[in-house]
Amino acid sequence: AQSVTQLGSHVSVSEGALVLLRCNYSSSVPPYLFWYVQYPNQGLQLLLKYTSAATLVKGINGFEAEFKKSETSFHLTKPSAHMSDAAEYFCAVSENAGNMLTFGGGTRLMVKP
Amino acid sequence: EAQVTQNPRYLITVTGKKLTVTCSQNMNHEYMSWYRQDPGLGLRQIYYSMNVEVTDKGDVPEGYKVSRKEKRNFPLILESPSPNQTSLYFCASSLFVGGASEQYFGPGTRLTVT
Repeated sequence: AQSVTQLGSHVSVSEGALVLLRCNYSSSVPPYLFWYVQYPNQGLQLLLKYTSAATLVKGINGFEAEFKKSETSFHLTKPSAHMSDAAEYFCAVSENAGNMLTFGGGTRLMVKP
Repeated sequence: EAQVTQNPRYLITVTGKKLTVTCSQNMNHEYMSWYRQDPGLGLRQIYYSMNVEVTDKGDVPEGYKVSRKEKRNFPLILESPSPNQTSLYFCASSLFVGGASEQYFGPGTRLTVT
């Protein structure tokens, strides 16, 4: 069975500061990993995904994530936070056998001016 | 515009009154699914469908039904809603069946059962 843990349900950073959102997963097979973002009153939008190609994955809006198999981690980073990055972020894992996404509990990112 | 649509967006109902939430996608996607989102729990899958007339249970199927009579539509049915089904519901679709396939989400339906 697969599972996802997101450390920190709320993260607060200052505008211009580094954003680091943590995600650890467990999976019995090599996984596919995703980061989604949810803005208020909207559905989820894909930020980036890892599908066993390069371990450093670049996504939209300046975000990137690094797959570390030894640490079973897929942390999301952005060098400089913008006010528009304030949202909830979800890490998710999927196995090859099907499309079912298992989500972490989410991290709400707040950006202070 | 390629999208997943859901209706209604907001719904308040009473215990036991049957309801249907519709979901439609215009991208000719094979795979469709329903999730519910609850604070601190992320999204959990209710049901999914890999093709027309093929549906299967996700992690939390109790109290829900689905059908897939046409490729574009995947309605979620609550035969006898209860207060513990108060939640935010999302429909999603993806082009093909397989773990690498990105899922596209609808805007969500906020359901309150009193």
